[in-house]
Amino acid sequence: GQNIDQPTEMTATEGAIVQINCTYQTSGFNGLFWYQQHAGEAPTFLSYNVLDGLEEKGRFSSFLSRSKGYSYLLLKELQMKDSASYLCAVMDSNYQLIWGAGTKLIIKP
Amino acid sequence: IAGITQAPTSQILAAGRRMTLRCTQDMRHNAMYWYRQDLGLGLRLIHYSNTAGTTGKGEVPDGYSVSRANTDDFPLTLASAVPSQTSVYFCASSDSTTDTQYFGPGTRLTVL
Repeated sequence: GQNIDQPTEMTATEGAIVQINCTYQTSGFNGLFWYQQHAGEAPTFLSYNVLDGLEEKGRFSSFLSRSKGYSYLLLKELQMKDSASYLCAVMDSNYQLIWGAGTKLIIKP
Repeated sequence: IAGITQAPTSQILAAGRRMTLRCTQDMRHNAMYWYRQDLGLGLRLIHYSNTAGTTGKGEVPDGYSVSRANTDDFPLTLASAVPSQTSVYFCASSDSTTDTQYFGPGTRLTVL
């Protein structure tokens, strides 16, 4: 079966750095997405990786290793507004997105 | 309209009733999707449409139907609602260049 694993919850301190991991087993691979979802709101797109390596976008970076079935989202200089759930999703061979359950990130002052 | 809109925002429904959730996008995206999101679970695909006039079944299609008469609209119908269909429903559309999906604000549905 297809499976996306990510930690259920993480806690970090304002101003610090946090890394949210995602491992996947899917039938085929056509890219990996990270989304941010604030409580009670819709998911919003953060990043897309299809090749191995690091993609940097401001305070957020996303890394992919296809051989290991592994990705991480790195958030730097954490702000209180970064408190949200972070969703990892993989596009399979049918170009359908398979979603992880999300990681709830709690930022403490 | 800017992006994707969904209606209603929330609804309480008696079991056995018929309900249609509406979704409209103005981005001229070909592909559209319906997901449900339940606590502790990832987003699960109900139905999708790759282009106007075509639809397909996702991971959890039972009890739901969709239609795609034009590019902009993708309604989701519950023919006879059951309590297990209590969930938050998100509509999304995707850009064919990048396959990135963009989500509507969601509909919170409670079936009693």
